[in-house]
Amino acid sequence: EDQVTQSPEALRLQEGESSSLNCSYTVSGLRGLFWYRQDPGKGPEFLFTLYSAGEEKEKERLKATLTKKESFLHITAPKPEDSATYLCAVQAWEGSNYKLTFGKGTLLTVNP
Amino acid sequence: GAVVSQHPSWVICKSGTSVKIECRSLDFQATTMFWYRQFPKQSLMLMATSNEGSKATYEQGVEKDKFLINHASLTLSTLTVTSAHPEDSSFYICSARDTTGSYEQYFGPGTRLTVT
Repeated sequence: EDQVTQSPEALRLQEGESSSLNCSYTVSGLRGLFWYRQDPGKGPEFLFTLYSAGEEKEKERLKATLTKKESFLHITAPKPEDSATYLCAVQAWEGSNYKLTFGKGTLLTVNP
Repeated sequence: GAVVSQHPSWVICKSGTSVKIECRSLDFQATTMFWYRQFPKQSLMLMATSNEGSKATYEQGVEKDKFLINHASLTLSTLTVTSAHPEDSSFYICSARDTTGSYEQYFGPGTRLTVT
């Protein structure tokens, strides 16, 4: 069974204080590791997809990296508007479709 | 690009009635759409996968007769919660994968269902 574990569950940072979120996974036949941002009461917003170990992607203050067992979402000099829940998900072929398995998320709070 | 809409954004219904939620891909065609459910402070749980023109595939524990899914076109999927009960109250979110073969899933804004 595919498993995704995110840590920490919650993270509180001061504005400008860089940090990283972790996503460790076990999956048979990985077909992409996804990072999403979710604001309260809204659907997840797509951030990145990583497909192979060693791959990195960046978007503004966010940078995602991938190894064979885990992924990191690095946040550089965060701002209060970066406050959200960050979700990690792995995609694998199951039965007749590709499916996403989500972690429980990391709630990030950035204080001004 | 890659915008998915849901309607309604929130709905309140009485116990025993049915409610339909629409999911549309606005700027791309989606061969596959997914329906998720999310309880407060929990992650997304996949309910079912629908492919255009064929029957939906439901996850274990999801009642197919209660949660009716129709994927009638490449841009529209609907979820009907039949004979709703208070325990069906939740946040329902759809996602869509486009026909170009990319693996990305794009999510709608969600529908908050409250059953009284």
